[in-house]
Amino acid sequence: QSALTQPASVSGSPGQSITISCTGTSSDVGGYNFVSWYQQHPGKAPKIMIYDVSNRPSGVSNRFSGSKSGNTASLTISGLQAEDEADYYCSSHTSSSTWVFGGGTKLTVL
Amino acid sequence: QVQLQESGPGLVKPSETLSLTCTVSGGSISSYYWNWIRQPPGKGLEWIGQIFSTGSTYSNPSFKSRVTVSLDTSKNQFSLNLRSVTAADTAIYYCARKISGSGKFDIWGQGTKVTVS
Repeated sequence: QSALTQPASVSGSPGQSITISCTGTSSDVGGYNFVSWYQQHPGKAPKIMIYDVSNRPSGVSNRFSGSKSGNTASLTISGLQAEDEADYYCSSHTSSSTWVFGGGTKLTVL
Repeated sequence: QVQLQESGPGLVKPSETLSLTCTVSGGSISSYYWNWIRQPPGKGLEWIGQIFSTGSTYSNPSFKSRVTVSLDTSKNQFSLNLRSVTAADTAIYYCARKISGSGKFDIWGQGTKVTVS
């Protein structure tokens, strides 16, 4: 199965907002509301930030939000902070009853 | 709170079988999906396979039937066997819990590094 498509890198200054896209097909992102986003700091395990397109787990800052339109999901981080600098991955359920991740996006806070 | 801990050899020879175990502590295995996910050095996450608490399994077709995920409810553990490994299977292997009826992989182990050489 093919990985979902994410930009390799995005950057923003503290206080700004950024958006990371995650593009799939009608057999994954477009077909199910089971898109999640994970934050991974170097040497650490991934951490759930958004699940089922737009739900935020308890303890995750409300600066993180998710949305979906067609075959593309998006993660928006507002009020960028230095601690947001990390790799971000999307994931989606597929029509084959499997799960697929995006290639990852490196967020740099300038 | 629920914690996951991977264990197994850090070095596996080419053509042999990679075997890892994930121990679930602080909670029950029931009613969740238990997953294996890996990350090759400097690369992204790759979903390997999962097992539900009833024993039903799904795996990534990219692994061409090399994968077996099994469950031992008496020990609160689940395991991964990956057969016929090559250097391309060198990675950090994570176990993770997924909530039923959701795409939420909510709890992850710390990961274990496996080198095929």
